[in-house]
Amino acid sequence: GAGVSQSPSNKVTEKGKDVELRCDPISGHTALYWYRQSLGQGLEFLIYFQGNSAPDKSGLPSDRFSAERTGGSVSTLTIQRTQQEDSAVYLCASSYRWGEAFFGQGTRLTVV
Amino acid sequence: GQQVMQIPQYQHVQEGEDFTTYCNSSTTLSNIQWYKQRPGGHPVFLIQLVKSGEVKKQKRLTFQFGEAKKNSSLHITATQTTDVGTYFCAGLSAGGTSYGKLTFGQGTILTVHP
Repeated sequence: GAGVSQSPSNKVTEKGKDVELRCDPISGHTALYWYRQSLGQGLEFLIYFQGNSAPDKSGLPSDRFSAERTGGSVSTLTIQRTQQEDSAVYLCASSYRWGEAFFGQGTRLTVV
Repeated sequence: GQQVMQIPQYQHVQEGEDFTTYCNSSTTLSNIQWYKQRPGGHPVFLIQLVKSGEVKKQKRLTFQFGEAKKNSSLHITATQTTDVGTYFCAGLSAGGTSYGKLTFGQGTILTVHP
């Protein structure tokens, strides 16, 4: 595709349910990032994938959060047993090696 | 791990005034990038600086990279209402276990009063 695609664009879920957020990076991009952004706040780093290297998971806030990147392309961020504090916009970005990062439109997650 | 600090967190200016945001890294950077996020949007790449002491201009925007490659600044001359948004710096690590990882600053939220 022409850009980074994230789905769904909006997700409302009940507290305690699991959710999966998907990111389709730009074809050929080796690096993929997940960030979380609360209203009016900065970018909270979650996880970083670079090629075939082990991912940098240092930003995942708890063991309820996990992410995988299959075949060096599509990535899925999974949040188990969602809590209200998980409500935020989840942004995915990709880049070719160490170049500029292209962001998706984000997934707005609301936990009720 | 690498930390990138950005100040100020908020800046309110009158249209026509200048604006500057500063970025400092705890470690030496390979390069530094700047992004702008409009309200309701996602961050969009503005520019990348690579060389020590580098200065680049984009119309009313001037970007600088420090001599030690650990700090950077973005200066906007004569702000306009279209400059409203959050400006992020992002440093690319020069080494370590997360080589090539972009670390974002907290961002500066710019408000321009007409």
